[in-house]
Amino acid sequence: KNQVEQSPQSLIILEGKNCTLQCNYTVSPFSNLRWYKQDTGRGPVSLTIMTFSENTKSNGRYTATLDADTKQSSLHITASQLSDSASYICVVISMEYGNKLVFGAGTILRVKS
Amino acid sequence: KAGVTQTPRYLIKTRGQQVTLSCSPISGHRSVSWYQQTPGQGLQFLFEYFSETQRNKGNFPGRFSGRQFSNSRSEMNVSTLELGDSALYLCASSFQGDPRVRNTIYFGEGSWLTVV
Repeated sequence: KNQVEQSPQSLIILEGKNCTLQCNYTVSPFSNLRWYKQDTGRGPVSLTIMTFSENTKSNGRYTATLDADTKQSSLHITASQLSDSASYICVVISMEYGNKLVFGAGTILRVKS
Repeated sequence: KAGVTQTPRYLIKTRGQQVTLSCSPISGHRSVSWYQQTPGQGLQFLFEYFSETQRNKGNFPGRFSGRQFSNSRSEMNVSTLELGDSALYLCASSFQGDPRVRNTIYFGEGSWLTVV
């Protein structure tokens, strides 16, 4: 079982709408949790970084939340744009495995006009 | 400043051959890490180098190897290629190299490897 589970696997929304992507993890202990955006055929780009003591972090229209007690994180996208179409990857930095990055499988978001 | 540069961007190899991929990190970054991305397995950590020393290694067979030079540039090598090695290989660099610290990890555009 993957230590970082993301849902939904894929999502289609209309331009201008909001959406929330989920990330549940079992990695423990962990130092920080990151969200990345990956456009098709490109490398991932960092959106947010949260330490275990932070609850929320914003980057423009992207807002990430973290609940370390329930081991859940979410990425909320406000007023979606066509350019938001991409894969969104949740990454947990595991302190158990020598600070390795543990990746979720990603959520594929498609924004339609 | 220039981002993480990976070469080549695309390549096709035959089973049994070997391949070398190159990565130039952002200027001043001393940590370089490598990842394999496939549709079935997602992103998986290969190894990480810091100041020419391998600090961390993922669960990949010994056919996968890497090195880092004194100018922080890195190469990864895959020997005796198998069909399952077809993937996007991503290189990432960071300044401090310790992901416990809130330092951003910057990814390159990747090298697409197809093994036929």
